[in-house]
Amino acid sequence: AQSVTQLDSHVSVSEGTPVLLRCNYSSSYSPSLFWYVQHPNKGLQLLLKYTSAATLVKGINGFEAEFKKSETSFHLTKPSAHMSDAAEYFCVVTLGGATNKLIFGTGTLLAVQP
Amino acid sequence: NAGVTQTPKFQVLKTGQSMTLQCAQDMNHEYMSWYRQDPGMGLRLIHYSVGAGITDQGEVPNGYNVSRSTTEDFPLRLLSAAPSQTSVYFCASSPGTRFQPQHFGDGTRLSIL
Repeated sequence: AQSVTQLDSHVSVSEGTPVLLRCNYSSSYSPSLFWYVQHPNKGLQLLLKYTSAATLVKGINGFEAEFKKSETSFHLTKPSAHMSDAAEYFCVVTLGGATNKLIFGTGTLLAVQP
Repeated sequence: NAGVTQTPKFQVLKTGQSMTLQCAQDMNHEYMSWYRQDPGMGLRLIHYSVGAGITDQGEVPNGYNVSRSTTEDFPLRLLSAAPSQTSVYFCASSPGTRFQPQHFGDGTRLSIL
């Protein structure tokens, strides 16, 4: 069965320092993986997606993620945090087959300190 | 381009009342779904639809009904509201394949007293 584990529920960084949000997945299929961001009182916005092309995926706002099959990981990184990055981040895997059902991680709340 | 539109944005209900959460998309997407978001639990799938006239249950369907009479609309009905249904509800749509990201509405914040 497919599942997603976000290893940290809260991460706090200082502005200008690197960001690392960790995600491990379990999938019986070759997975499609996504990172979404949710700002307060807003819906979810796609940051980036992995669909079996390049293993290093670049997204919006300077974020990127690397798919590592051997480690079943899809960690999200950014070289330098900005105050506007403060939000909740969700790692998501798509189930295989004919449907487009998503399995969400429980989220990582990123705080950025000035 | 409106994307996915959810109404209302906020709602307070009494236990036992019924209501319909509206969701509309203008992108001609085949796939639509409803999720609920609760603290510490991520988003959980309630119901989904792969096209007009076709719906199926997700992870937490009890207490909710859906229908899909048109491609654009996918309403979610609470039959008899319970306090356990207090949550934030999100509607999403996508072109239909598992490689395509889903587009989310801004959510409906529902409180059941």
